[in-house]
Amino acid sequence: DTGVSQNPRHKITKRGQNVTFRCDPISEHNRLYWYRQTLGQGPEFLTYFQNEAQLEKSRLLSDRFSAERPKGSFSTLEIQRTEQGDSAMYLCASSLATSGGDTQYFGPGTRLTVL
Amino acid sequence: QKEVEQDPGPLSVPEGAIVSLNCTYSNSAFQYFMWYRQYSRKGPELLMYTYSSGNKEDGRFTAQVDKSSKYISLFIRDSQPSDSATYLCAMWRNQFYFGTGTSLTVIP
Repeated sequence: DTGVSQNPRHKITKRGQNVTFRCDPISEHNRLYWYRQTLGQGPEFLTYFQNEAQLEKSRLLSDRFSAERPKGSFSTLEIQRTEQGDSAMYLCASSLATSGGDTQYFGPGTRLTVL
Repeated sequence: QKEVEQDPGPLSVPEGAIVSLNCTYSNSAFQYFMWYRQYSRKGPELLMYTYSSGNKEDGRFTAQVDKSSKYISLFIRDSQPSDSATYLCAMWRNQFYFGTGTSLTVIP
């Protein structure tokens, strides 16, 4: 399967714990996006990378959230001191950005439950 | 005002019906428009991708963009129970902006 993969698929944690998610994009894609999605809502943009550079970060993203893409391939999203409000589906998407636009492909998501 | 507005539904139609899904947007700078389908507890799947105004057809799906009205549509012909899902519109200008999604159920 050459699509976007995410691990773990599900994560249950206690409030206050740190969690880390991994995303492996489609291999030739240069852009990687992180989104958060709650029930009944569309994906909410968190941040994105072009190669290893983090180009944009949502103002909604608190300091407890950090993302890395150290070699321009896979990416990790870490949430420190989790809160119950962090419970959501965390989606990763990748794309091959060209001058003609950008079309992204999503992974299956990581569902986080904070108890 | 949200950048992208989408009626959340739910929408319920009989099998074989034509379905019309719509989004409006406020930023006239949007140029690329997409429709995604999302099954329960899965990631969104790209259905259609269009640039600027006009129509694009792919099998039973037709995407329509009217930039003058800031309005996009997705039409599904001969709807099938397997089309039951949430449909998300998305637009791109430096980053992606999504609608809230419309929940569709096609009844056999």
